Amino acid sequence: DQQVKQNSPSLSVQEGRISILNCDYTNSMFDYFLWYKKYPAEGPTFLISISSIKDKNEDGRFTVFLNKSAKHLSLHIVPSQPGDSAVYFCAASASNSGYALNFGKGTSLLVTP
Amino acid sequence: DTGVSQDPRHKITKRGQNVTFRCDPISEHNRLYWYRQTLGQGPEFLTYFQNEAQLEKSRLLSDRFSAERPKGSFSTLEIQRTEQGDSAMYLCASSGISTPLHFGNGTRLTVT
Repeated sequence: DQQVKQNSPSLSVQEGRISILNCDYTNSMFDYFLWYKKYPAEGPTFLISISSIKDKNEDGRFTVFLNKSAKHLSLHIVPSQPGDSAVYFCAASASNSGYALNFGKGTSLLVTP
Repeated sequence: DTGVSQDPRHKITKRGQNVTFRCDPISEHNRLYWYRQTLGQGPEFLTYFQNEAQLEKSRLLSDRFSAERPKGSFSTLEIQRTEQGDSAMYLCASSGISTPLHFGNGTRLTVT
């Protein structure tokens, strides 16, 4: 059962524009959410996180928004750069589950010059 | 660079053989995780150690799989009697308390 869903397998954005990646989850026990970025032949790299007590967290060009009532989170990248082209994974965990992360299937972002 | 190190990067084996992978976590991290990733999927949790204790195991971890973390440092993941369905990328990650998981670059297993 897929508890974390990323319904857009791919996204193409022009350089300088905003990239918005979406993620939905079904388990109401999830209280910690993360975004990872993955380049080919490398492991996932941590990007940004948010706990359920917040609805927004910002780090430079990256902002994550959390809507608990809708069980939805999104990652905004502004402005998008060609180096942002990668697969982005949304992940979630529940603090009573040993911190094991549940990942979505990923969204492949392509930023074109 | 003192990131998470995994060895080997690639492993090709014949069905029925046993394989063992090694993971060296970031030295100050006491938590270590194994995940598996297949094509088109996100990483799937396999097991979790806190120091040397294996605290959580996914139902994906069949009895052909065993993981150890002696002395709470490096970890090994062994797959016995490999099957073609075991072909995947095996990812190791480590973390401290309340810190995000840091992943290694994985071991890609191909079972022929």
